[in-house]
Amino acid sequence: QLQLRESGPGLVKPSETLSLSCTASGGSISSDNCYWDWIRQSPGKGLEWIGSIYYRGSTHYNPSLESRVTVSVDTSKNQFSLKLSSVTAADTAVYYCARRGITIFGVVNFYWFDPWGQGTLVTVSS
Amino acid sequence: DIQMTQSPSSLSPSVGDRVTITCRASQSISRHLNWYQQKPGKAPKLLIYAASTLQSGVPSRFSGSGSGTDFTLTISSLQPEDFATYYCQQSYSPPFTFGPGTKVDIK
Repeated sequence: QLQLRESGPGLVKPSETLSLSCTASGGSISSDNCYWDWIRQSPGKGLEWIGSIYYRGSTHYNPSLESRVTVSVDTSKNQFSLKLSSVTAADTAVYYCARRGITIFGVVNFYWFDPWGQGTLVTVSS
Repeated sequence: DIQMTQSPSSLSPSVGDRVTITCRASQSISRHLNWYQQKPGKAPKLLIYAASTLQSGVPSRFSGSGSGTDFTLTISSLQPEDFATYYCQQSYSPPFTFGPGTKVDIK
């Protein structure tokens, strides 16, 4: 079954760029019927959707973060990545990667997040 | 953005109790509503999608209902392993947003 695992530095300095990767195992990133998403969780803001990518490269970002976020995909490594620039303490959070699956009822697409990676804590501090 | 609210923010039922959690969207989202369970130190786990469809492997004591702006998650008979925080999430339109969570604590 599909499993996701985040990796990357746990400590980032203010104003620098946060970089994380998510590696999929037990399934392929190059799937037609899903997207690959990043979500973060902090005590102050709860669960916050960051953005997503389709394996062919199309992206969609949360407008609140769009100016600082880049999500990319590397199908050869079965991996997708997150970059968040100009970080501040407010970006301190547990970052999760997740598959956004699609179920079609009639002609309507329903999206859901499953599975999630185990999460990785990123602290922004000097 | 579509705002999601949940009530109550916490509750302390006993094992065997019927538990109901409510989620409300700031605008109609049809049935584009998912429920997740999160235990401390773990990632959220999908329980229900499309408002009422049980994810594979999830016990049948969990059920969801609602459409439009008002939704409900029900646990018919609370088990010890159900003590966790529950989140609703709208998938109607991006940015996808989550409720603040309902913590189900041991009484």
